[in-house]
Amino acid sequence: DSGVTQTPKHLITATGQRVTLRCSPRSGDLSVYWYQQSLDQGLQFLIHYYNGEERAKGNILERFSAQQFPDLHSELNLSSLELGDSALYFCASMGGTGELFFGEGSRLTVL
Amino acid sequence: AQKVTQAQTEISVVEKEDVTLDCVYETRDTTYYLFWYKQPPSGELVFLIRRNSFDEQNEISGRYSWNFQKSTSSFNFTITASQVVDSAVYFCALIGFGNEKLTFGTGTRLTIIP
Repeated sequence: DSGVTQTPKHLITATGQRVTLRCSPRSGDLSVYWYQQSLDQGLQFLIHYYNGEERAKGNILERFSAQQFPDLHSELNLSSLELGDSALYFCASMGGTGELFFGEGSRLTVL
Repeated sequence: AQKVTQAQTEISVVEKEDVTLDCVYETRDTTYYLFWYKQPPSGELVFLIRRNSFDEQNEISGRYSWNFQKSTSSFNFTITASQVVDSAVYFCALIGFGNEKLTFGTGTRLTIIP
């Protein structure tokens, strides 16, 4: 158990819909990273938050947005979903010693 | 820019054989960190190791060992006496000090044949 909690574990929805993925980092970790893993794209960095502030953006679509709340949990919002958004979405948090620990992922299926 | 290359897409070995997974990286940062992660069929990403760029000492943890060579920008991972439970996709990753993004290689799918 990495200590990073992601919900939901599985989500099936239709094209055009909007979903929210939630992540709680390990206790004490201020950083949250979001990654997307699809079959043909590997692990793609989406966005990084540190203590509520956005620190870096990767190849995140405009239809996607994220935020980190004062209690340090983070949410990734995916809207106007397309078939190609089907993927495993990982959240990770980084501890003081630099290890990045990943949650179990949220598997999104868009039909 | 950062780049991590795992040239071996898939490897299959018979149980108890040793196997080495290759990782070559590129970065302009003088201080950086290298990681290996394991992704078993269940899908989660399991942290295996982190190395700092200023610490080239190789590391051994049970059947796992890592060979970090700064001169060749490589961070290879060896599993000794492989077991079926080692079957997974293994990712090498890199983050530069002060950089905000962990860059992953494309992964190597390792299959251990009983």
